[in-house]
Amino acid sequence: LAKTTQPISMDSYEGQEVNITCSHNNIATNDYITWYQQFPSQGPRFIIQGYKTKVTNEVASLFIPADRKSSTLSLPRVSLSDTAVYYCLVGDWMIDFNKFYFGSGTKLNVKP
Amino acid sequence: KAGVTQTPRYLIKTRGQQVTLSCSPISGHRSVSWYQQTPGQGLQFLFEYFSETQRNKGNFPGRFSGRQFSNSRSEMNVSTLELGDSALYLCASSPLTRLANTGELFFGEGSRLTVL
Repeated sequence: LAKTTQPISMDSYEGQEVNITCSHNNIATNDYITWYQQFPSQGPRFIIQGYKTKVTNEVASLFIPADRKSSTLSLPRVSLSDTAVYYCLVGDWMIDFNKFYFGSGTKLNVKP
Repeated sequence: KAGVTQTPRYLIKTRGQQVTLSCSPISGHRSVSWYQQTPGQGLQFLFEYFSETQRNKGNFPGRFSGRQFSNSRSEMNVSTLELGDSALYLCASSPLTRLANTGELFFGEGSRLTVL
């Protein structure tokens, strides 16, 4: 099981760029890196997924170094509505859901 | 396109009772997975069904069970409820094909179970 390590919490201000780093030293060759966002009393929402290098979509970017032992989720110009818990997951859930481990996540608090 | 629907949203049970939760996946999604979320243990995987077969199972006691119907709708059941079963139970669906897959699990809003 590729365990992940993320900061427990982070604070930011509106309009800033936020970078959340996740460490996953035991990542396997077939594992993807996926990030989810969760608001209180709601189900997690997919943000982005990548395997290597950089992936960008309309809400975030994901940076993955060559050794893939860590990854960084980048949220450009955050707003108050981005206050949520962010989970980094490592695994290939199409093969084994048990390897898709949510962990404790990072609680991001965006201040005005 | 309708999202994942979970019912009921809230329910209260007493110890020893049993409960059944329902999940209707997004149309066309054949994989349904279930999760338990508590403040202490976080979000933990229960089991996953694909085409009516349980493919993956998490580390939960046999009191937790599930099934999937031919229309991909799924139910999970918890028997002999304990206080520690109080949690938000989440269901997620996925098309589970590489070509159509971005790695995204589509979660419902969950069923909040309180055991007294």
